[in-house]
Amino acid sequence: AQTVTQSQPEMSVQEAETVTLSCTYDTSESDYYLFWYKQPPSRQMILVIRQEAYKQQNATENRFSVNFQKAAKSFSLKISDSQLGDAAMYFCAYINTNAGKSTFGDGTTLTVKP
Amino acid sequence: KAGVTQTPRYLIKTRGQQVTLSCSPISGHRSVSWYQQTPGQGLQFLFEYFSETQRNKGNFPGRFSGRQFSNSRSEMNVSTLELGDSALYLCASTRTGGYTEAFFGQGTRLTVV
Repeated sequence: AQTVTQSQPEMSVQEAETVTLSCTYDTSESDYYLFWYKQPPSRQMILVIRQEAYKQQNATENRFSVNFQKAAKSFSLKISDSQLGDAAMYFCAYINTNAGKSTFGDGTTLTVKP
Repeated sequence: KAGVTQTPRYLIKTRGQQVTLSCSPISGHRSVSWYQQTPGQGLQFLFEYFSETQRNKGNFPGRFSGRQFSNSRSEMNVSTLELGDSALYLCASTRTGGYTEAFFGQGTRLTVV
């Protein structure tokens, strides 16, 4: 069974600074996708970034980037130039290519201090 | 394009009752997944429907069931409600499931008293 672990229940960052959220996963599959989702207080889950396991290049979306280490099964999210609107719970998720079931981590609550 | 719509947004039920939640996916999406989110257990996968068939199932008791209609809309039913069923129930749709990213609805907050 696949598992996703987010070891940081809470993180805080000063506005305009950089923060990294950790995620590790365990799978025997070789073909899969990884995602970071953001859930603000409004509860709407929003996709932040996606990484295909077969791609060596790390995904980047504006201020958000990942450090994907396939051998280590690590998938961390870096948020640069943090903004107040980045405050939310962040979930790391794993999806097997052939399955419709996602496995989510327990989430990291990010606080952004002005 | 309209997003994923879940109804109702809030629900209060009494122990022993049953409840039905609805999810309308994004137009063209054929896969609908349901999740239970609680503070202590995080996001737990309930089941996934694709083309009216249940394709994946999580580790929940048989009191939790679902179905999907020909227009891809999905319903989730919980019978004989327990206090522990109080949670935010999230629905997510994808075009085909699998590698495509899921788009989530705003959820239904169920409170069992």
